[in-house]
Amino acid sequence: AQSVTQLGSHVSVSEGALVLLRCNYSSSVPPYLFWYVQYPNQGLQLLLKYTTGATLVKGINGFEAEFKKSETSFHLTKPSAHMSDAAEYFCAVSLNSNYQLIWGAGTKLIIKP
Amino acid sequence: EPEVTQTPSHQVTQMGQEVILRCVPISNHLYFYWYRQILGQKVEFLVSFYNNEISEKSEIFDDQFSVERPDGSNFTLKIRSTKLEDSAMYFCASSEGWSEGRMGSNQPQHFGDGTRLSIL
Repeated sequence: AQSVTQLGSHVSVSEGALVLLRCNYSSSVPPYLFWYVQYPNQGLQLLLKYTTGATLVKGINGFEAEFKKSETSFHLTKPSAHMSDAAEYFCAVSLNSNYQLIWGAGTKLIIKP
Repeated sequence: EPEVTQTPSHQVTQMGQEVILRCVPISNHLYFYWYRQILGQKVEFLVSFYNNEISEKSEIFDDQFSVERPDGSNFTLKIRSTKLEDSAMYFCASSEGWSEGRMGSNQPQHFGDGTRLSIL
């Protein structure tokens, strides 16, 4: 069965610092991988996705993530945090023949001024 | 940019009552989904819908739940005889259809802002 683990329910970084949000998955076959962001009182917005091809994918708002099959990871990064990045970030996976998204527990990103 | 809309944003219902949550998916999308998020817990898949029938459902989606696409635009989730534990945020999502000859599960799902359901 597939599962998604996000390390750290809360991550706090200073404005301008590197953001690193960790996501590891377990799957018997290579999955499709997604990062979503949820701002307070809003829905889930797609940040980026990996399906096939280049393992480093770029998303909106300066975020990127790298699929590392050997490490079964899909960590999300941003070189320089901005106050507007404060939100909850969710990693999710789906399989070829499977419609549903399997979700991580989410990581709240806190930006310190 | 087209978006998924959900109504109402907040629904308060007495335990045992029926509730219908409404969603308008993005107009050219073919796959529709419901998820829920109980406060403090993970987002959980409920059901996916394609070509006017359920394509997949989770263990949560028992006989208490049903989905319907009553017309060309709405996608509804009905919960019969609500229980306290049904209190959660319910998200609707939709995605495009076939891509490169494969099933659409690699197409990103676009989410609405959710309906917060509170059962008293």
